[in-house]
Amino acid sequence: DGGITQSPKYLFRKEGQNVTLSCEQNLNHDAMYWYRQDPGQGLRLIYYSQIVNDFQKGDIAEGYSVSREKKESFPLTVTSAQKNPTAFYLCASSWGTVNTEAFFGQGTRLTVV
Amino acid sequence: QQQVKQSPQSLIVQKGGISIINCAYENTAFDYFPWYQQFPGKGPALLIAIRPDVSEKKEGRFTISFNKSAKQFSLHIMDSQPGDSATYFCAALDRGSTLGRLYFGRGTQLTVWP
Repeated sequence: DGGITQSPKYLFRKEGQNVTLSCEQNLNHDAMYWYRQDPGQGLRLIYYSQIVNDFQKGDIAEGYSVSREKKESFPLTVTSAQKNPTAFYLCASSWGTVNTEAFFGQGTRLTVV
Repeated sequence: QQQVKQSPQSLIVQKGGISIINCAYENTAFDYFPWYQQFPGKGPALLIAIRPDVSEKKEGRFTISFNKSAKQFSLHIMDSQPGDSATYFCAALDRGSTLGRLYFGRGTQLTVWP
């Protein structure tokens, strides 16, 4: 089945550690996105990528990093510089501006302990 | 600055009632307006979307009303059911932009009482 797979579903991190969230899609989509969701804050864009080996900062990129070495994969690293990393992280993909529907993964809940 | 403003933040409706969620935007370049539905612990899924060349779009019990001059659009859920209890997000996109990103409202948590 085509879709977006995020892993792991739950992740615990100690303060001061970097952690990487995985996002893989087999929809052959060009564009991929990372969002952070906090209660009452909606979906805030962290990073997005329209093509391989290129990505742009979103609204809240500080403390995060990404790579796009393959079309199917867009991993997100939450670094120790992110002051408040506990949140629900969502990955999405779309054809870009050609087809406007965005498909979301099931999310990763990150908790700092 | 919030590109898309959504209200109310939460909504409680009795089974069989009408749920109405409103959104407003400022950027006149936006030309695609989707609504997403999200259940707890899941990712959002596209519910219904509209382009500004029509004033209304209906799919089953879900209707989007669009007012281009007022730069507002709303989601109406007719005959609301407990299974509709979820968080709803409106969004907007400028399809002509090379950035290709959606701007989301902050969401409305809908609870439908049986």
